[in-house]
Amino acid sequence: QVQLIQSGPEVKKPGASVKVSCKVSGNTLTEFSIHWVRQAPGKGLEWMGFFDREDAEGTYAHQFQGRVTLTEDPSSDTAFLELTSLRSEDTALYFCARLVGDLGLGYFDFWGQGSPVSVSS
Amino acid sequence: DIQMTQSPSSLSASVGDGVTITCQASQDISHYLNWYHQKPGRAPKLLIYDSSILMTGVPSRFNGSGSGTLFTFTISSLQPEDFGTYYCQHHDNLPLTFGQGTRLDI
Repeated sequence: QVQLIQSGPEVKKPGASVKVSCKVSGNTLTEFSIHWVRQAPGKGLEWMGFFDREDAEGTYAHQFQGRVTLTEDPSSDTAFLELTSLRSEDTALYFCARLVGDLGLGYFDFWGQGSPVSVSS
Repeated sequence: DIQMTQSPSSLSASVGDGVTITCQASQDISHYLNWYHQKPGRAPKLLIYDSSILMTGVPSRFNGSGSGTLFTFTISSLQPEDFGTYYCQHHDNLPLTFGQGTRLDI
């Protein structure tokens, strides 16, 4: 059974950076694509991007370009999301999710439990 | 970017009722549409993919249909565990986008 285990809560000040991890168990990281989705309190789901192994770089939603970096460490089956220049609007629950599909398109069948990030002065 | 618009935004129903949620895409997405259910504080759960294919283990009271720009999601006989928020998500191209959600109160 595939499991995605995410890192714990983070509290950051505006302008700081945060790095969230997502460890894959029950399978190896490189067998599928890991995407990141966030959800602000009381709001809907917002796709952030994924690490494209073909290009060895991240593919990001427009609104996060320049502030987000997605990476992977195959040796530990762990994916990472780093978000910089944090602002209060980045307060959210950050999910990693396994994509079934190709070229970054498909459906999410397994999700991490979510990593809460709070940004406050 | 493709915009996904769900309606209604919220609805109330009783156990045993049938409910219908629609999802409209801002452009043709063929059948590339998925449906998720989310309970507060939990990760979303995939129910239906590619418009009408029921995910393994999902009860048959859930149904999806549609193609092009208009999609329908129905629950034929509500159960208490069906409360929460339902989201559609397209996968026609990048960026992937979700509908704004439909909150279902039972």
